[in-house]
Amino acid sequence: GAVVSQHPSRVICKSGTSVKIECRSLDFQATTMFWYRQFPKQSLMLMATSNEGSKATYEQGVEKDKFLINHASLTLSTLTVTSAHPEDSSFYICSAGFDRDYEQYFGPGTRLTVT
Amino acid sequence: GQNIDQPTEMTATEGAIVQINCTYQTSGFNGLFWYQQHAGEAPTFLSYNVLDGLEEKGRFSSFLSRSKGYSYLLLKELQMKDSASYLCAVVSNDYKLSFGAGTTVTVRA
Repeated sequence: GAVVSQHPSRVICKSGTSVKIECRSLDFQATTMFWYRQFPKQSLMLMATSNEGSKATYEQGVEKDKFLINHASLTLSTLTVTSAHPEDSSFYICSAGFDRDYEQYFGPGTRLTVT
Repeated sequence: GQNIDQPTEMTATEGAIVQINCTYQTSGFNGLFWYQQHAGEAPTFLSYNVLDGLEEKGRFSSFLSRSKGYSYLLLKELQMKDSASYLCAVVSNDYKLSFGAGTTVTVRA
């Protein structure tokens, strides 16, 4: 149980375009979803936390107008990278969690390359 | 704020034991996780400690001392497939995980 999927697994886009990444909890209803970014040889950095039906909470330094997060249901959250630039190229990972459970269940990640 | 430290790299021989230390200073503590991450993949859960002491799970064990802000992950009978990055992460009161930079373990034959 507690499986999280992400789509797409890899995406290449041109500078200036937007890319949407989906995160789904397949066999449970996730109260909260988290979005992380990981640059090569670095650890995961939390970008934002989203709860179903409410606005996402962004970490300091993360541009909310550039990284749009929508958490429309208890099983789906999306991250849209708007007007992508090469420096946005990274590994984006989502995770999902339950209320009163500290464990997070990670998706397989999405490799974004902006050319 | 959160400050989580772990060594950058460790190398060990197949069949040996390696101990990865993690020290932390955090505002709010609700447990410490260890994850394994292979290159290009998402982290996979190894252990969770919230009480002091040692938790053993097969070849992997994890220890926590809350008073010292210290944890370690012990990997026994190392196998080549254990070559990976190991991440220490602390969960705070708001359910957020703060990760250390990760320790890259290389297992040599």
